[in-house]
Amino acid sequence: AQKITQTQPGMFVQEKEAVTLDCTYDTSDQSYGLFWYKQPSSGEMIFLIYQGSYDEQNATEGRYSLNFQKARKSANLVISASQLGDSAMYFCAMRVTNAGKSTFGDGTTLTVKP
Amino acid sequence: EAGVAQSPRYKIIEKRQSVAFWCNPISGHATLYWYQQILGQGPKLLIQFQNNGVVDDSQLPKDRFSAERLKGVDSTLKIQPAKLEDSAVYLCASSFQGVGQETQYFGPGTRLLVL
Repeated sequence: AQKITQTQPGMFVQEKEAVTLDCTYDTSDQSYGLFWYKQPSSGEMIFLIYQGSYDEQNATEGRYSLNFQKARKSANLVISASQLGDSAMYFCAMRVTNAGKSTFGDGTTLTVKP
Repeated sequence: EAGVAQSPRYKIIEKRQSVAFWCNPISGHATLYWYQQILGQGPKLLIQFQNNGVVDDSQLPKDRFSAERLKGVDSTLKIQPAKLEDSAVYLCASSFQGVGQETQYFGPGTRLLVL
C-alpha cells in the first residue's frame, strides 16, 4: 500500500519569498510518479508538477520546483517568489506506474502575506 | 479544449435520501476517476474506470454507492441511501490512458451536504 504524509497543516510566507512544502511517501514499488496539485478555495484541483521515480533531475515548472530525495522518500515542493494568488491548499500525490490509482496526502494550507 | 464537467455543483439532501452526480470527462480520455474529499483531508479514490470497465473500486462503499460509465464517456455516481458522513466534495477526474506520468485533470467538484 502507498502512503503520503504532509506534516505541515498550515504554512505562512511573505509575498516574494520562497517556501518549501514537505511531502514524504512510502511505497515498496520501484516505479512510481509523484505529483503536486493546488486547490484554491473554488475547489478545483490544478496540476502543478510531476517527478518520476527514475528521473535523475529534479522537476521544474516555472516558479515551482520539486526537491526529490529518493533515498529519504521525500518530494518537497518549492515555490519561489510567492504571490498572493498562491494562497491555497497544496496536495502531494503518488501513483504507482502500473496501477493508475493515485494516493493523496491530507494537504498543506499555504497563506501568502502581503 | 473543454475541461472535465460536473453537475450539480452543490447538493443538499436529508439522510436516507438518494443523490446522483454526473461527470463528463475530457474528450478522448479513456480513464475516469471519482474521488471523495472530506473537509480537511485529501481526495480518496472511490472508483476508476478504463473506458467502460472498472479498474479499481476497492474503496467504494458498495452497500450504498454505485457508479457506471456507459459507452465509456459520461459517468454517474449514486449514493442510496445517504448518510451524514457522506457530506464531502465529490471530484471527477480524467486522464488519457491512466498510466505512468499522465496528469489527471479534475472537474470543479460537487459539494454534498447531508442533513
